[in-house]
Amino acid sequence: EAGVTQFPSHSVIEKGQTVTLRCDPISGHDNLYWYRRVMGKEIKFLLHFVKESKQDESGMPNNRFLAERTGGTYSTLKVQPAELEDSGVYFCASSRSGYEQFFGPGTRLTVL
Amino acid sequence: SQQGEEDPQALSIQEGENATMNCSYKTSINNLQWYRQNSGRGLVHLILIRSNEREKHSGRLRVTLDTSKKSSSLLITASRAADTASYFCATDQLTGNQFYFGTGTSLTVIP
Repeated sequence: EAGVTQFPSHSVIEKGQTVTLRCDPISGHDNLYWYRRVMGKEIKFLLHFVKESKQDESGMPNNRFLAERTGGTYSTLKVQPAELEDSGVYFCASSRSGYEQFFGPGTRLTVL
Repeated sequence: SQQGEEDPQALSIQEGENATMNCSYKTSINNLQWYRQNSGRGLVHLILIRSNEREKHSGRLRVTLDTSKKSSSLLITASRAADTASYFCATDQLTGNQFYFGTGTSLTVIP
């Protein structure tokens, strides 16, 4: 069974630009989560999809972040416009039940 | 803040020694899980302990949970160089299933 995949693995952009991160969950997992770890700090929850619906987006930092999961399969997380403080590692996780979440390798975002 | 906190932040030991990491959290939980992150890689699930469990074993891993103190410990016995990684505890609350992570413990096992 393939694991959670994320693309790209690393993105370097300039402040003010737009970046779109993609996450492909494990097939059959209705639950999809986004987390991020800003340098040196804890991993923080961003939002949770159940199929294509946003179940909980309480962790989204501001309206520069837009997450979608059209069709309930893969998900994208767009940052527009990117700011310096958005730099960090963005993790995606998927789960069948919600109790055990399987994480992807993460996308390292660097905003210059 | 509801996230866990790991202690110590960094730990360096010799191969063969045991490594103990602690995690504290603030709210009532359903489960507590430990994850490992090798440099440049994703989070790997190690072990889950439910709130009504006190101790759990998996191979060289031993996890304890004290809900009265809102704390957990992860013991890695007979450490190996390949155990070098960052270790995170993650909790989920009684409502909702988002995870709350701590800042992690960076473990270095010296061959």
